[in-house]
Amino acid sequence: EVQLVESGGGLEQPGRSLKLSCAASGFSFSARDMAWVRQAPPKGLEWVASISPGAVSTYYRDSVKGRFTISRDNAKSILYLQMDSLRSEDTATYYCATLGARHDMDAWGQGTSVSVSS
Amino acid sequence: DIVLTQSPALAVPLGQRATISCRASQSVSTATYNFMHWYQQRPGQQPKLLIYDASNLASSIPARFSGSGSGTDFTLTINPVQSDDIATYYCQQSRELPLTFGSGTKLEIK
Repeated sequence: EVQLVESGGGLEQPGRSLKLSCAASGFSFSARDMAWVRQAPPKGLEWVASISPGAVSTYYRDSVKGRFTISRDNAKSILYLQMDSLRSEDTATYYCATLGARHDMDAWGQGTSVSVSS
Repeated sequence: DIVLTQSPALAVPLGQRATISCRASQSVSTATYNFMHWYQQRPGQQPKLLIYDASNLASSIPARFSGSGSGTDFTLTINPVQSDDIATYYCQQSRELPLTFGSGTKLEIK
């Protein structure tokens, strides 16, 4: 069974940093594209970043480019999202997801909540 | 960016058909694939993939769910609607980056 478990969320001040983790199990993590998706309450879903299986390619939405870094440790089956220079508009629940062949998101974690406020 | 437009809400009687639409601001199809996918998000839960590539049922999803469409117009159909289906439904395109989602359609039981 595919399992994705996010952690690392919390309350942080604007301008500070947080690092999210997503522990994966039940599938061949090193063979899969992965993504982070966020959802600001009570809004809809917003793709944040994606990474290829070998981490050669990474992609970001414009609003996080230069501030967020997606990475992965295939030996440990963990996906990361380093979030620097946090802004209030980054407040959201952050989900990690596996990407299918056409970049559908075929499995999701339960999410971790990030709140950015002074 | 490709904008996906969904109606905000839909109320359907139990046992009837629900039809949820998603319109893209430009084509999300090629000659080979339709890069459109559908998700269900129940209150307090993470999203779940229902349909991928416009019409393919995801693993373990009941056959009451189906998808259709190509180009810019896509439809998710639930027939018959059950009480378990109360949720918000999102479409998502992967034709180009950034990956984008519709704003969601909240399904209510009439």
